[in-house]
Formats: sequence, C-alpha cells, structure tokens
Amino acid sequence: GAVVSQHPSRVICKSGTSVKIECRSLDFQATTMFWYRQFPKKSLMLMATSNEGSKATYEQGVEKDKFLINHASLTLSTLTVTSAHPEDSSFYICSARGSLNQPQHFGDGTRLSIL
Amino acid sequence: DAKTTQPTSMDCAEGRAANLPCNHSTISGNEYVYWYRQIHSQGPQYIIHGLKNNETNEMASLIITEDRKSSTLILPHATLRDTAVYYCIVRVAGGNKLVFGAGTILRVKS
Repeated sequence: GAVVSQHPSRVICKSGTSVKIECRSLDFQATTMFWYRQFPKKSLMLMATSNEGSKATYEQGVEKDKFLINHASLTLSTLTVTSAHPEDSSFYICSARGSLNQPQHFGDGTRLSIL
Repeated sequence: DAKTTQPTSMDCAEGRAANLPCNHSTISGNEYVYWYRQIHSQGPQYIIHGLKNNETNEMASLIITEDRKSSTLILPHATLRDTAVYYCIVRVAGGNKLVFGAGTILRVKS
C-alpha cells in the first residue's frame, strides 16, 4: 500500500529555534500534501494544503509566516515551524494523495516539544 | 462536506466482529464515505471508502444504507491491535479536505 514517511518522529528544542519536518511519499507521486496538528486527546485539525509547485493554502487562523510549507517535488513536502514557542508544542502529521480520487495516506507524525 | 455522527466509544470482545456505526444524514450524492483509524501516537491509517455499494477489503467491510444516510464499518474478527479511534468522514470526490470529527474509541478486550 501507499507509504508516507515523516521525519523526525520526535524533536525537542529550545524556544526561539526553527524546526523543519519532512514528509515523503515513498511509493507514489503526491500531487497534494496536507499538514495537520493534533493536541492531546483532540482530533486532527487541518493546517494547510499544498500542491506541488504551488503556494500552500492555509486554514483560517493558521499563520503562514509561522508555519512555512514547501512542496517542491512530487514526493517531498516540508513544514518549518519558525521561532517556535512552547505553545507550538504539538503532534504534527502530514498526509499525501496521488490523484484526486485516491485516499489520503498519513505519516506517523512528529511530536514537537518546545522547552 | 457533510457532518458525521459517531458514538463516543464502543467495546468489543476479541475475536468477535466489531460493528462501528456512522450517521451522515446530510450526505450529498457525490460525497464518499471514508473510514480511517488512529492508534495511539501514530498517524491515521486509511481503512476503506465507498460511495453507494458495499465495499470489502483485507481490513474491513463497509456497509452503506440504501438512502446513504448511514454506514457501518465491520471488522470481522477484532484483535487487541484493533483498539484505536475510528473516524468516519464524508468528502466530495476529488475534494481536498478530510475533516476529522471526534471519532469512536474502539476498545477490543480479551
């Protein structure tokens, strides 16, 4: 089946640093990738949608300058949390989809902890 | 995209069938029903999806009522590893967003 790899799985860093999370589709070309955020005991919340070679579309309330998304190839998207603060600590999950009628497949998430 | 309603939690005995219901009474004709599950501290896993007809794959079966206002995900022989949060989502074919609700916490017990 379709495999999406996310890296790193866990990161701990100091307040003020920037953190980059990678999302790769390993066995299919992902025309669209999605970034979600999940707080403890809550459901996933979509942050942004990105199509290869285009600017990402952010959901209402998500700061595009805070969460930089790059989708430069059909197999790689990155999310950079800039100048991270403790309130940015969360579980970040990416997903990818090939063609429009195919289901989304998810990575295993990145647990980000900002001290 | 139509909203869905699922029970908050369910228990199932190991080895028995787990039947997870989902109501989507406002579903449109071009909206598919998707099921995902999320095991603790992992990303969601795609299970199955369908439009009108019942679907079956190696993981589960999806039964959609004739009026399409509800569906049931069936795990034929639940194991302890099936303990997870199960999400029922409706989405337009070709649509972008998967909007996750609260889902159903399924606990499989020995």
